[in-house]
Amino acid sequence: EAGVAQSPRYKIIEKRQSVAFWCNPISGHATLYWYQQILGQGPKLLIQFQNNGVVDDSQLPKDRFSAERLKGVDSTLKIQPAKLEDSAVYLCASSLEWGLGTEAFFGQGTRLTVV
Amino acid sequence: KQEVTQIPAALSVPEGENLVLNCSFTDSAIYNLQWFRQDPGKGLTSLLLIQSSQREQTSGRLNASLDKSSGRSTLYIAASQPGDSATYLCAVWDGGSQGNLIFGKGTKLSVKP
Repeated sequence: EAGVAQSPRYKIIEKRQSVAFWCNPISGHATLYWYQQILGQGPKLLIQFQNNGVVDDSQLPKDRFSAERLKGVDSTLKIQPAKLEDSAVYLCASSLEWGLGTEAFFGQGTRLTVV
Repeated sequence: KQEVTQIPAALSVPEGENLVLNCSFTDSAIYNLQWFRQDPGKGLTSLLLIQSSQREQTSGRLNASLDKSSGRSTLYIAASQPGDSATYLCAVWDGGSQGNLIFGKGTKLSVKP
């Protein structure tokens, strides 16, 4: 079974530029999550999708971050404009179901450096 | 608001030792608890998922226990090896309506040959 795929693996941009990350979840997984992991911290949820609908985006900085999951499969996360404090690893995860605590599987992450 | 704490933040042991990593959470109303491993520059690998009705779960040299009433979980690693060196993260599936994972900051384990 293929795992969660993310691209790119690394990205370096200047502040105020824009950037986009892509995620392809495990086939058949209805729930998709984007997490932000700052160095030395545990991952923090940014947004959660159930199929192509948003379940929770309460911690997404909506003035600069946006995410979509078209057709309930792939997802993209965008930052525009980026700030220095956005430097982090962005992790995508998927699980079979929503709200029942089923096992979550994570991708390799995208390491973003904003200079 | 659910908070997850992991102690110690870092641990260094000689190869072959048995060790215990600790995780505590403030709200016992959780669905499940999941332990992950993270290697430097990598994503998270799921190690064990403990259902809220279970007391423990085992996989190879790993054993995780869960005591919901006291808000604690432990990850026991038997006969540690240098390849076990990584950061271990504990996360609880929050029992709120959204149901998402809330993580601790992790324990960085170093196993010396």
